[in-house]
Amino acid sequence: GAVVSQHPSRVICKSGTSVKIECRSLDFQATTMFWYRQFPKQSLMLMATSNEGSKATYEQGVEKDKFLINHASLTLSTLTVTSAHPEDSSFYICSARAEGHGELFFGEGSRLTVL
Amino acid sequence: DAKTTQPTSMDCAEGRAANLPCNHSTISGNEYVYWYRQIHSQGPQYIIHGLKNNETNEMASLIITEDRKSSTLILPHATLRDTAVYYCIVRVPGTASKLTFGTGTRLQVTL
Repeated sequence: GAVVSQHPSRVICKSGTSVKIECRSLDFQATTMFWYRQFPKQSLMLMATSNEGSKATYEQGVEKDKFLINHASLTLSTLTVTSAHPEDSSFYICSARAEGHGELFFGEGSRLTVL
Repeated sequence: DAKTTQPTSMDCAEGRAANLPCNHSTISGNEYVYWYRQIHSQGPQYIIHGLKNNETNEMASLIITEDRKSSTLILPHATLRDTAVYYCIVRVPGTASKLTFGTGTRLQVTL
């Protein structure tokens, strides 16, 4: 199946710093990518939909100025957590849809810990 | 996307078939049933999907009722590595429609 890769898989940062997480579709082009957040023992919560070449669409309650999403190419979307705080510590997961396919493929996830 | 309901948790003995039910009574005609699973601390993994006919692949079988209001994912010979949270989702494929996850079923495969 199609491969979606996230980097880094784990990151620890100090409170107040910004962290960038990359999501790449390795063997297909993805016009649409989705970013999710998952807290311990909870389900995935959709944060935003990332469209190549246009602004991301954020879900209700997600601060667009805090979670910056850039989808500059058909194979790369980035999520930047700005001025991170301990409550932003979570598991961030991206998914991408291959053109012409119905399935969505997910990255391995990135675990962010803010000290 | 239509809502789905699944049992919170299930146990299955290794080597036995695991049957995971899902109710999607408000599914619309063009929505497919998708199954994903998430092993601890990993991203979700696609398993199988279907519209109305039963489907089978190397991982599992999907049985959809004739009225399409419910379905069952079958892992024919569960192994310890199948321990995961299984999510049943309905959506229209080939669109940019978002995937909304419910709480899923936590399957524990035991010796």
